[in-house]
Amino acid sequence: DTGVSQDPRHKITKRGQNVTFRCDPISEHNRLYWYRQTLGQGPEFLTYFQNEAQLEKSRLLSDRFSAERPKGSFSTLEIQRTEQGDSAMYLCASSRPFIKEETQYFGPGTRLLVL
Amino acid sequence: DQQVKQNSPSLSVQEGRISILNCDYTNSMFDYFLWYKKYPAEGPTFLISISSIKDKNEDGRFTVFLNKSAKHLSLHIVPSQPGDSAVYFCAATDTVNTGNQFYFGTGTSLTVIP
Repeated sequence: DTGVSQDPRHKITKRGQNVTFRCDPISEHNRLYWYRQTLGQGPEFLTYFQNEAQLEKSRLLSDRFSAERPKGSFSTLEIQRTEQGDSAMYLCASSRPFIKEETQYFGPGTRLLVL
Repeated sequence: DQQVKQNSPSLSVQEGRISILNCDYTNSMFDYFLWYKKYPAEGPTFLISISSIKDKNEDGRFTVFLNKSAKHLSLHIVPSQPGDSAVYFCAATDTVNTGNQFYFGTGTSLTVIP
């Protein structure tokens, strides 16, 4: 069990560029979550997958954001036409299936800086 | 609409003493609560949780207390150790209606002084 991994750990991009982040959950976890954390704030929920199905999306997830989990394993989060306000830590978490009170286990995050 | 609040941004405690971190919530539907610990440049690490059917859960040096009527929970660390220095986040969820979304507080930065 290697834990949740995220790649890249850091990304610097210019405004207007597209970026894509990857998350690999813990192997037996079928639930996968994306959160965003800005300075001085706690993580804020963006979206959630159960297997390959995207079941919930926050209003924070604008049209420029898209997340996929095509085979129910790893997930990608893409931000199109990045803006300076997108600068944040993007966290991925995973959890086991069929557990009502279930802990989400977080990856190390991808820190995005939009110049 | 911050549904989970941690009103103390920072706390300093002497090594060996008790650290008490507080968290308040507004949504009475929340029924599962967690504490996470976060070091710089790392993701949050799960520490301890409590269901709304309990008022206390203990795991080694860490105890979480839940007061449902006051919509308040606290994390007690005793004795505090320098390695406990980190940012602590309180999280809550409504497992019935929105069980997959955790709501986090803004965090409390704990410094344990040797």
